[in-house]
Amino acid sequence: DTAVSQTPKYLVTQMGNDKSIKCEQNLGHDTMYWYKQDSKKFLKIMFSYNNKELIINETVPNRFSPKSPDKAHLNLHINSLELGDSAVYFCASSSTGEGGYTFGSGTRLTVV
Amino acid sequence: GENVEQHPSTLSVQEGDSAVIKCTYSDSASNYFPWYKQELGKGPQLIIDIRSNVGEKKDQRIAVTLNKTAKHFSLHITETQPEDSAVYFCAASSGGGADGLTFGKGTHLIIQP
Repeated sequence: DTAVSQTPKYLVTQMGNDKSIKCEQNLGHDTMYWYKQDSKKFLKIMFSYNNKELIINETVPNRFSPKSPDKAHLNLHINSLELGDSAVYFCASSSTGEGGYTFGSGTRLTVV
Repeated sequence: GENVEQHPSTLSVQEGDSAVIKCTYSDSASNYFPWYKQELGKGPQLIIDIRSNVGEKKDQRIAVTLNKTAKHFSLHITETQPEDSAVYFCAASSGGGADGLTFGKGTHLIIQP
């Protein structure tokens, strides 16, 4: 059983389009995250969400919005895609105060 | 906010030798320090972690040491094997789930046969 699963694995789209990436965790964790990994492999947090509170990294453009239908899912919607959005996006989850962050296998987004 | 520095960016060692990767952090409130291994095309995988109330932790060939006073922590891999080749990331967190992890920039470890 995959602990944190995200789809799709690859996404190629044109500039200006709107796209979504889905994430699900079956670990019973109470907090989920989205991270962006750029071409230099640097991992940076974009959002964290724990059903009560959404924390947004101030550097994230408002074209990016997380949506959580329930505790086990955190989807990422991106509007008006730009070339600079090309990266690998990772979903992760954890239990508050326990550490043990678990990552999904990533979605490689390519904007052309 | 937290800032994590990681060195070296690339490390090449002979198979069977030891490898050491070092990280420093800036926020004294950080109390959880995991290390992740990322293989090509995969997500980061937790290999070992340490909390601020512990100075050292070992798991077979892997060990992590933490110096809270100096705000630095290190990953030690002994008897390196070809499958240890990957990118390794250190990270720090203040432990509250909503804060997430602040990562170092990664170390590309190359094991030479």
